[in-house]
Amino acid sequence: AQTVTQSQPEMSVQEAETVTLSCTYDTSESDYYLFWYKQPPSRQMILVIRQEAYKQQNATENRFSVNFQKAAKSFSLKISDSQLGDAAMYFCAYRRGGTASKLTFGTGTRLQVTL
Amino acid sequence: DAGVTQSPTHLIKTRGQQVTLRCSPKSGHDTVSWYQQALGQGPQFIFQYYEEEERQRGNFPDRFSGHQFPNYSSELNVNALLLGDSALYLCASSLSGQGEVKNIQYFGAGTRLSVL
Repeated sequence: AQTVTQSQPEMSVQEAETVTLSCTYDTSESDYYLFWYKQPPSRQMILVIRQEAYKQQNATENRFSVNFQKAAKSFSLKISDSQLGDAAMYFCAYRRGGTASKLTFGTGTRLQVTL
Repeated sequence: DAGVTQSPTHLIKTRGQQVTLRCSPKSGHDTVSWYQQALGQGPQFIFQYYEEEERQRGNFPDRFSGHQFPNYSSELNVNALLLGDSALYLCASSLSGQGEVKNIQYFGAGTRLSVL
């Protein structure tokens, strides 16, 4: 079974600074996708960024980028120029390739952004 | 373009009762997945519906059942409620098929179920 581990229950960053959230996963599959979702107090899970396992290039979305280390099964999220609105729970998630596949989530990292 | 909508927002039930939660997928999506998120935890997969059939199921008892309608909306039913069923129930929709943009799951704001 696939597992996703987030070892940082809480992180804090000052506004305008950079922070990296860690995620490791375990799978025997070769075709899979990795995601970072953000869950603010409003509860809605918002997709931040995704990475296809077959792509060597790390995904980027504006201030958000990932460091995807396939051999190490590591998938960290870097947030640059942190903003107050970035404060939320961040969940790393895994999905096996194919059309019928669930998301497996980690336990989340709570990110605080301070002035 | 409306995103994923869920109703009700919040629900309070007592042990032994039954509950139905509803989900309307994002426009154009044909697949609905349901997740249970206990306090302080990541979401856990309950089941996924496609073409009105349960396509995949997580490790949840038969008390949890669902349905998908021809318009792709979905219901989650939980019978004989237990205190441990108290959680945030999230619905996610996606478009089935091959390709990079397919199968990306978009979530609703959830239904908070409290069982007393």
